[in-house]
Amino acid sequence: GAVVSQHPSWVICKSGTSVKIECRSLDFQATTMFWYRQFPKQSLMLMATSNEGSKATYEQGVEKDKFLINHASLTLSTLTVTSAHPEDSSFYICSARGDVDYGYTFGSGTRLTVV
Amino acid sequence: GQNIDQPTEMTATEGAIVQINCTYQTSGFNGLFWYQQHAGEAPTFLSYNVLDGLEEKGRFSSFLSRSKGYSYLLLKELQMKDSASYLCAVRDARLTFGKGTKLSVIP
Repeated sequence: GAVVSQHPSWVICKSGTSVKIECRSLDFQATTMFWYRQFPKQSLMLMATSNEGSKATYEQGVEKDKFLINHASLTLSTLTVTSAHPEDSSFYICSARGDVDYGYTFGSGTRLTVV
Repeated sequence: GQNIDQPTEMTATEGAIVQINCTYQTSGFNGLFWYQQHAGEAPTFLSYNVLDGLEEKGRFSSFLSRSKGYSYLLLKELQMKDSASYLCAVRDARLTFGKGTKLSVIP
């Protein structure tokens, strides 16, 4: 079945630094990638939608200059959290539009802790 | 906009049946999903409904009524491993999640 590989699984970084999270679709072409953020005991909140080769569409309230999304190929999308602060600590999950599960395959998530 | 409501928490006994309800109000509709999520892990797909009626898949069934903006997930023969959060998600142009229902299965 369709698999989305997301890494790192967890990362701890210092405040002010940048962190890059990668999502790769391993056996299908992901024309659309969704990035979600989930705070403890909260649901998944969509941050942005990216289509291969074009600029990402950000949800209201999400800073596009802080959360940089690149979707340069059909199998790779990256989310870079720039100048991270403790309030950016969260669980970040990608989801790729694919051919199984009626269109959505999730990565395994990245736990970001900013200290 | 979209509004998706589901109970925050539920508790059920091992071997029993539990129904988790979801109501939604959305500007568009192109299907409703149920996902299971264990703490610290990504969601895993359980079911998808786009037409009214019941979809059965082993111990899990999902029902949809589009006119009522209502769905439920039915879990039968509960097992301890079913303790998790269950997320209702509605798709229009994007997939929007409810806040999830934390299910605790007790012996």
